[in-house]
Amino acid sequence: AQSVTQPDIHITVSEGASLELRCNYSYGATPYLFWYVQSPGQGLQLLLKYFSGDTLVQGIKGFEAEFKRSQSSFNLRKPSVHWSDAAEYFCAVGDYKLSFGAGTTVTVRA
Amino acid sequence: GAGVSQSPRYKVAKRGQDVALRCDPISGHVSLFWYQQALGQGPEFLTYFQNEAQLDKSGLPSDRFFAERPEGSVSTLKIQRTQQEDSAVYLCASSRTRGTEAFFGQGTRLTVV
Repeated sequence: AQSVTQPDIHITVSEGASLELRCNYSYGATPYLFWYVQSPGQGLQLLLKYFSGDTLVQGIKGFEAEFKRSQSSFNLRKPSVHWSDAAEYFCAVGDYKLSFGAGTTVTVRA
Repeated sequence: GAGVSQSPRYKVAKRGQDVALRCDPISGHVSLFWYQQALGQGPEFLTYFQNEAQLDKSGLPSDRFFAERPEGSVSTLKIQRTQQEDSAVYLCASSRTRGTEAFFGQGTRLTVV
């Protein structure tokens, strides 16, 4: 069975500071991994995805994620957070059928 | 259209009422998905279509839930005899083919009173 755990329910970060969101997954084969962002009242927007190859993946809005098979992790990072990054972030695993984590809410303080 | 469109955006239903939620996928997208997102949770998979064929309905929570995509484009998710536990945001997504990036609509927020 496939599943995702996002250990942090809520993270507060200062504008300009770095951000790291944790994601651990369980999957029977080589995983397809995704990070999505959801702003209030909006649908999910894909930030980045990992299918194979280079384990450091670059995405939109300055985000990157690193796939670590030995740790079953796919953590999301951003070096310098902007106020507009305040949102809910979801990690997901799967090929066509995605299993999502419960999400991490990011608050950005001035 | 430019993106996945869902209607209505908001729906309030009395318990026991039937509802129908519509999804217009991106033109030409073969794959279509429905997810249910309860408050404070991540989306949960309901069902998957490839063209008009419903290939996976393993996530539908009960036989009160029914989805169709008769012509391989627009899809409808129907919930019969709604219950309070059906209150959630229902998200539709489409992708060009299976295994490619899925684009999500804004969702329909269903509230059962």
